[in-house]
Amino acid sequence: SQQGEEDPQALSIQEGENATMNCSYKTSINNLQWYRQNSGRGLVHLILIRSNEREKHSGRLRVTLDTSKKSSSLLITASRAADTASYFCATALSGYSTLTFGKGTMLLVSP
Amino acid sequence: KAGVTQTPRYLIKTRGQQVTLSCSPISGHRSVSWYQQTPGQGLQFLFEYFSETQRNKGNFPGRFSGRQFSNSRSEMNVSTLELGDSALYLCASSLGPDLRTDTQYFGPGTRLTVL
Repeated sequence: SQQGEEDPQALSIQEGENATMNCSYKTSINNLQWYRQNSGRGLVHLILIRSNEREKHSGRLRVTLDTSKKSSSLLITASRAADTASYFCATALSGYSTLTFGKGTMLLVSP
Repeated sequence: KAGVTQTPRYLIKTRGQQVTLSCSPISGHRSVSWYQQTPGQGLQFLFEYFSETQRNKGNFPGRFSGRQFSNSRSEMNVSTLELGDSALYLCASSLGPDLRTDTQYFGPGTRLTVL
């Protein structure tokens, strides 16, 4: 079963625009992580936000976490064609030794 | 530091055969996890090892097995391959055992095609 569910499933924007994707989850978490996957390749860790944090920044990435709504959002500012990828949120469950991933948001950034 | 490496990168097998995939974690990392990724099911957890012990296993049939060696390298094996086993198999490592605090780093994956 999927703990995190990303929304939208797909997003198409132009270079320079901002991209926002959301993740909802079902149970209490200690942290939530965002990963990026370029077509058919491994996942790249983007950012980890802890449950006691509300917002975190890393370069052009901004992640927010609302534990009361059990949701998180990832904002990519000033998108570039190289940002084209699938983005996944993940949470640690099941004895803390596994990550449960959502189905991801496919982001297409056109030049 | 070298990242997580997986071999082979691509593999083509036929139904009924067996396959072994290998993963070398980042130096110093003791936890290794395996995931299966398919278009229909997304990323699904297979198993996790820490210090040679399997601590967690996902909901996969017994045809899927794995192990971890004393140097933290890990292998996973799939016996009696089925068409539905075609997938990208991802390995990930982390320094410690607790993913509430430790980040998991992924390898490039092994693309398995079963004909």
